[in-house]
Amino acid sequence: GAGVSQTPSNKVTEKGKYVELRCDPISGHTALYWYRQSLGQGPEFLIYFQGTGAADDSGLPNDRFFAVRPEGSVSTLKIQRTERGDSAVYLCASSPFSGGHGELFFGEGSRLTVL
Amino acid sequence: SQKIEQNSEALNIQEGKTATLTCNYTNYSPAYLQWYRQDPGRGPVFLLLIRENEKEKRKERLKVTFDTTLKQSLFHITASQPADSATYLCAPGGGGKLIFGQGTELSVKP
Repeated sequence: GAGVSQTPSNKVTEKGKYVELRCDPISGHTALYWYRQSLGQGPEFLIYFQGTGAADDSGLPNDRFFAVRPEGSVSTLKIQRTERGDSAVYLCASSPFSGGHGELFFGEGSRLTVL
Repeated sequence: SQKIEQNSEALNIQEGKTATLTCNYTNYSPAYLQWYRQDPGRGPVFLLLIRENEKEKRKERLKVTFDTTLKQSLFHITASQPADSATYLCAPGGGGKLIFGQGTELSVKP
């Protein structure tokens, strides 16, 4: 389909390991967002890209988290030295609207479990 | 800091009735507010966007109001159906990022 695609859908890793989560946005969407969601909570904002640059990374919890979008399309969220508290569903969304002034199209998420 | 509050308890209603969900926000002056629906194990799906200069917006059985003085949005589903059962998220926005509330779980019983 033509929706937002996230891989892997499930990732189980051990504490201390490095993890990469990938997001393929809808073609032509300039804005891309990363959120994480814990059970029973709403999505928590992490970072927002406009094109290739991070327009707002104020939600990244610490320097173990990093995200890139080198060509303005696919984005990768990278988590170093994973901790059990990083376990959550990581959601990616894209939007054709710049400046966040319109609807977001979400993927189905990547469920991360840190043992 | 910005704070968004939605009904924390699940809302249980009978089929055919109107469901009303509340979203309150503090320390925030959003330019617009969005509502999303989320089913278990799925990503949120956009429903409606209302801007700060709009008081009310409708789409089929959905109605949203936005009171910038009260800092509140109300989301109504009329003639509710069991298929409307889901978690509903409000998200005030402006300046690029959307901040989501914790969501309200709606259950419509036949």
